Amino acid sequence: AQRVTQPEKLLSVFKGAPVELKCNYSYSGSPELFWYVQYSRQRLQLLLRHISRESIKGFTADLNKGETSFHLKKPFAQEEDSAMYYCALNTGGGNKLTFGTGTQLKVEL
Amino acid sequence: DAGVIQSPRHEVTEMGQEVTLRCKPISGHNSLFWYRQTMMRGLELLIYFNNNVPIDDSGMPEDRFSAKMPNASFSTLKIQPSEPRDSAVYFCASRGTGTSPLHFGNGTRLTVT
Repeated sequence: AQRVTQPEKLLSVFKGAPVELKCNYSYSGSPELFWYVQYSRQRLQLLLRHISRESIKGFTADLNKGETSFHLKKPFAQEEDSAMYYCALNTGGGNKLTFGTGTQLKVEL
Repeated sequence: DAGVIQSPRHEVTEMGQEVTLRCKPISGHNSLFWYRQTMMRGLELLIYFNNNVPIDDSGMPEDRFSAKMPNASFSTLKIQPSEPRDSAVYFCASRGTGTSPLHFGNGTRLTVT
């Protein structure tokens, strides 16, 4: 069965420091991975997806099939990055998005 | 487009009462999802519909939970009878075809006392 693991419930970094939010997945087929973000008092929204290979708000994520990982990275954290981040896996061909338990990122001044 | 609309935003009820959560997906989206968010378990998929038909309800915790989608613009999630452990934020999300992303509603915060 598919599974998404986010090992850290809370990640606290200082402003300007690099950020890496970890995500590992378990799926035997070809995965489709996403990062969603939930800012305080706002709805969940898509941050980025691996097929787009894009950088959004300075964040990037590379799919590593060998390590079954899709870590979210940003070289210099900003205060407005403080939010809840969810990694999600869409099983190929299906419509079912499985989320990890989320990581709360707190950027301190 | 107003996005996915959920009601109510907050619901406080007593144990044993029936609770009905409502969702209006984005017009034209053909998939609808119900998720439950808790501190301990994060976001859990309860059930999803494709073209108004329930496809996977394996995440529905118990028979006390039921969901319907009578038409393309409306879905309900019902808990009867409710219990304190059902307290959580319930999100509805919809999605178009292909690889389009999920669009979430603002959620309903349910408190069962």
